[in-house]
Amino acid sequence: DTGVSQDPRHKITKRGQNVTFRCDPISEHNRLYWYRQTLGQGPEFLTYFQNEAQLEKSRLLSDRFSAERPKGSFSTLEIQRTEQGDSAMYLCASSLVVLISGANVLTFGAGSRLTVL
Amino acid sequence: DQQVKQNSPSLSVQEGRISILNCDYTNSMFDYFLWYKKYPAEGPTFLISISSIKDKNEDGRFTVFLNKSAKHLSLHIVPSQPGDSAVYFCAATIMGLGSQGNLIFGKGTKLSVKP
Repeated sequence: DTGVSQDPRHKITKRGQNVTFRCDPISEHNRLYWYRQTLGQGPEFLTYFQNEAQLEKSRLLSDRFSAERPKGSFSTLEIQRTEQGDSAMYLCASSLVVLISGANVLTFGAGSRLTVL
Repeated sequence: DQQVKQNSPSLSVQEGRISILNCDYTNSMFDYFLWYKKYPAEGPTFLISISSIKDKNEDGRFTVFLNKSAKHLSLHIVPSQPGDSAVYFCAATIMGLGSQGNLIFGKGTKLSVKP
């Protein structure tokens, strides 16, 4: 297993266009997270999946954002009608949680950098 | 309202000396803390963690100290090496029943280790 893969690594788009990012987590991991990171900030939580169920969404995730994880494997994050404020690094992470009270160590991908012109 | 704070944006140390990175948190419900390291153009990489039931955890050159009463943790790197130059993020989470396991990150501290 090569870790968490994200595609594309860099996307440049014009304002108003739609973009989609893909994340392939570590295969045996049951949780998948999306984070956003802007310059000078730490990663900010967007949403997460337990298997195929989307269990939590941040208030940062406006209605222009949608995430899916069909069949509990890879995930996609779509941004519709992009705005310049959407320019950021979008990070995907996965983890394996086997005990409800167990520690949750996230493994991150390299990220997908979005530039909205 | 930042729940995890790293008040030093940058730190410069000489190779071979100790690097001390600090982190403060405000939410007393946090019970698990992690440090991640990030190189440019890469995602954050897990470094070391500590549970709130401990006050110290050591892994090779890296030691994390937790002071719950002060809501403060620190990462010590001894000896520092040029390859340690990166941005270090402190993160906190709440474990336990029903927890989403979401990590709350600080803004990071950029460490530069000079030869």
